[in-house]
Order: sequence, then C-alpha cells, then structure tokens
Amino acid sequence: DGGITQSPKYLFRKEGQNVTLSCEQNLNHDAMYWYRQDPGQGLRLIYYSQIVNDFQKGDIAEGYSVSREKKESFPLTVTSAQKNPTAFYLCASSRTGGGQPQHFGDGTRLSIL
Amino acid sequence: AQSVTQLDSQVPVFEEAPVELRCNYSSSVSVYLFWYVQYPNQGLQLLLKYLSGSTLVKGINGFEAEFNKSQTSFHLRKPSVHISDTAEYFCAVSTFSGGYNKLIFGAGTRLAVHP
Repeated sequence: DGGITQSPKYLFRKEGQNVTLSCEQNLNHDAMYWYRQDPGQGLRLIYYSQIVNDFQKGDIAEGYSVSREKKESFPLTVTSAQKNPTAFYLCASSRTGGGQPQHFGDGTRLSIL
Repeated sequence: AQSVTQLDSQVPVFEEAPVELRCNYSSSVSVYLFWYVQYPNQGLQLLLKYLSGSTLVKGINGFEAEFNKSQTSFHLRKPSVHISDTAEYFCAVSTFSGGYNKLIFGAGTRLAVHP
C-alpha cells in the first residue's frame, strides 16, 4: 500500500545535540511538508518542498533544517538552536496544484532528556 | 491572509447523539476546504474536502460538511456519533500561490463521545 513512513516513532534528544527525523513516501507526490504540533495550537508549517533540491521556509523554520535529495525522502533535522524542540512532528505529501489534499505520516514524538 | 477559526476547543456528546463541529475561515479568494481527523498518537486522516460544486460534501465514517460562502463557514456534522469517533478534528483551508499549495489549519476541536 502507498503511504508515508516516519521514523522513529519516539526520539529523545540531549542538550546541544542535533537529531534527524526521517520521512519517506511512495505515493509519487512531488510536494512534501513538515509540521510541528503542540497541544492546543494545531499544526504549524516548518518547511515545504515542491521538487527535488528545492525547499522553502514555513512559519517556524528557525532551528530546523531539511534536504530534498530524492523525490521520496524529506528528512528534518532539529538542531541545537531549537530551544524548545519537544513536540509531535508530522510529515505530509501531496500532488502539486490547487486543492490537493495532503497525506500524513503517523508522526514522530520528540522529547528532551 | 487566510485563516481558520474552530469555534470550540472541546465538544462533549453522548453516544448516538448528533454533533456539529464549527469552522469559520477568512479568505479573499476562492477556497478549497478540508476536514481532517486525528486519533491519539497518529497522523491526520482526510475526512472530506470541498473544492467546488455542491455545497454539501459527504465524507468517510458518516460525516458531512456544508460550505456556506456568505457566512464563510464549513461546519462538520454527523447525525449519530459512536464512541470510536472520539478524536481531534481539524479544519483547514488551502492556499495556492507562487506554485505552492499550503494548508492553513485551525487549532482543532476535541470531540469526546460518552456512553
């Protein structure tokens, strides 16, 4: 079945450490997205990408970085510059064009040790 | 700028009762609207979408929503809820500019169905 796979499901970060969250899709979608979810705040867009080797900052990109070397993969790195990284991170993908729904992975929960 | 307001953060309801989850949006252009459901520790699943045409949209799990352009609303309804409908529900509006398709989400409504 086609879908989006996020790994790991749970991740712990030590102070000063960078961690990378994986996101892989086999839906043949061009566009991919990373969101951060905090309780009571809905989803906030971190980064998005429409094609390989191109990506754009979302609303809360500070302290995060991404790469898009392959169409299927869009990993997110949470750097030590992100001072409050504890959250639920969701990856999504979609076809390009207006009105396309986004399809979501099952998320990664990041916590600070 | 486009925005989405979900008017209730929590909605408690008894099993087999009807429910309405309210969503209002602001947009200066034509909109595409979505409702998603999220079960605990999972991603979001698409319930239904409005792109154009009939203002009454039917989705999965017996949910439906009505697009009201004059009131800028897109409320979600179900005539009879089940315990398994307990989840968080998100309304979203799609923006499409510069070739990029983005979703703006509301803060979510937690539906709690009680026996």
